[in-house]
Amino acid sequence: GQNIDQPTEMTATEGAIVQINCTYQTSGFNGLFWYQQHAGEAPTFLSYNVLDGLEEKGRFSSFLSRSKGYSYLLLKELQMKDSASYLCAPAPRGDYKLSFGAGTTVTVRA
Amino acid sequence: DTEVTQTPKHLVMGMTNKKSLKCEQHMGHRAMYWYKQKAKKPPELMFVYSYEKLSINESVPSRFSPECPNSSLLNLHLHALQPEDSALYLCASSQGSGEAFFGQGTRLTVV
Repeated sequence: GQNIDQPTEMTATEGAIVQINCTYQTSGFNGLFWYQQHAGEAPTFLSYNVLDGLEEKGRFSSFLSRSKGYSYLLLKELQMKDSASYLCAPAPRGDYKLSFGAGTTVTVRA
Repeated sequence: DTEVTQTPKHLVMGMTNKKSLKCEQHMGHRAMYWYKQKAKKPPELMFVYSYEKLSINESVPSRFSPECPNSSLLNLHLHALQPEDSALYLCASSQGSGEAFFGQGTRLTVV
């Protein structure tokens, strides 16, 4: 089974930095995904971490520590359009099961 | 083509109706998924097909019946639904261990 824990909500101002933490416990581990979902829209892929360390993609970075069962998504230079839900999900293994955490709703204020 | 197409976009059905949701992908993905999403909640996994065979059923009520006619198509047949089944139904596909691509969803209202 999987246990995935994320904060429910975060609020920040435009131009600021926000860090969304995700802790997980899963039987078997193959990496971790982060997805973004705007209200009423489909989730879209943001990042995939397999190895420990930081992966940077423009304003968004994702970190993974396999030994600690911990990941974070870092959003820099926040923009209003970053207001969305951010979902972390351990990558599927042989059973292809892709399940999400409860998601973190980020609200960016002017 | 990295698109997953779902039809219809919106559906209103009565509790005695039978309807089907359709999903199509042409990325050659081996895994296809159905999710149910209620407002302000994350997508909740319902079914997983791998290589056109049902591999995971997350204890979904039998009034939801999935079908995978071929490697590109995934259907969800609906029968005798309840108002609480009203939700956004999302289809997704992936190569298995890689990222999943989601369709835009069908917004279902059961009256």
